[in-house]
Amino acid sequence: AQSVAQPEDQVNVAEGNPLTVKCTYSVSGNPYLFWYVQYPNRGLQFLLKYITGDNLVKGSYGFEAEFNKSQTSFHLKKPSALVSDSALYFCAVRDDILTGGGNKLTFGTGTQLKVEL
Amino acid sequence: NAGVTQTPKFRVLKTGQSMTLLCAQDMNHEYMYWYRQDPGMGLRLIHYSVGEGTTAKGEVPDGYNVSRLKKQNFLLGLESAAPSQTSVYFCASSYWRGGPESTDTQYFGPGTRLTVL
Repeated sequence: AQSVAQPEDQVNVAEGNPLTVKCTYSVSGNPYLFWYVQYPNRGLQFLLKYITGDNLVKGSYGFEAEFNKSQTSFHLKKPSALVSDSALYFCAVRDDILTGGGNKLTFGTGTQLKVEL
Repeated sequence: NAGVTQTPKFRVLKTGQSMTLLCAQDMNHEYMYWYRQDPGMGLRLIHYSVGEGTTAKGEVPDGYNVSRLKKQNFLLGLESAAPSQTSVYFCASSYWRGGPESTDTQYFGPGTRLTVL
């Protein structure tokens, strides 16, 4: 079965500094990976996804993610963090089509990002 | 477009009571999903639907039932609520363009916060 792991419950970074939120994955077939963000008392918002092609994926709000097949990682990055980036970030992997399809996602446990002045 | 909407936003139940959560989407999406979010556990899939009149079990289906009588609506029912069902419930929807390489983004509603006493 596919899974994703987010090893950090919380990441703290100063405004203006680069940020990285880590995600590793385990899949039996091709990896289809996503990042979502959740602001307080809101639903999840899509940031970006990797399907195939370029290993550097660009998304919303200046975020990007680097797909690394050899390390089975899909880390979320941003060159310069903003206080408004403070939120809960989820990595997710799409179910392998062989497990029944439905475009289902398996989510990580989430990483709380705190950007301070 | 309103996107994905959920009703109600908050609800408090007593153990043994029943209730129905309503999800509606106006994007003509084929696929719809119900998740629950619990601290430290990320989002877990309860049930999902790949089209009108069809439903399937997700990761944590016990204690819940669903129905998809209309394409735009997906209902989640709790027949006899238990304190373990205290959670935040999210609905999501997505297109399906067909084929194993097709992966479409899921769009989330704002959530329903349910407390079972």
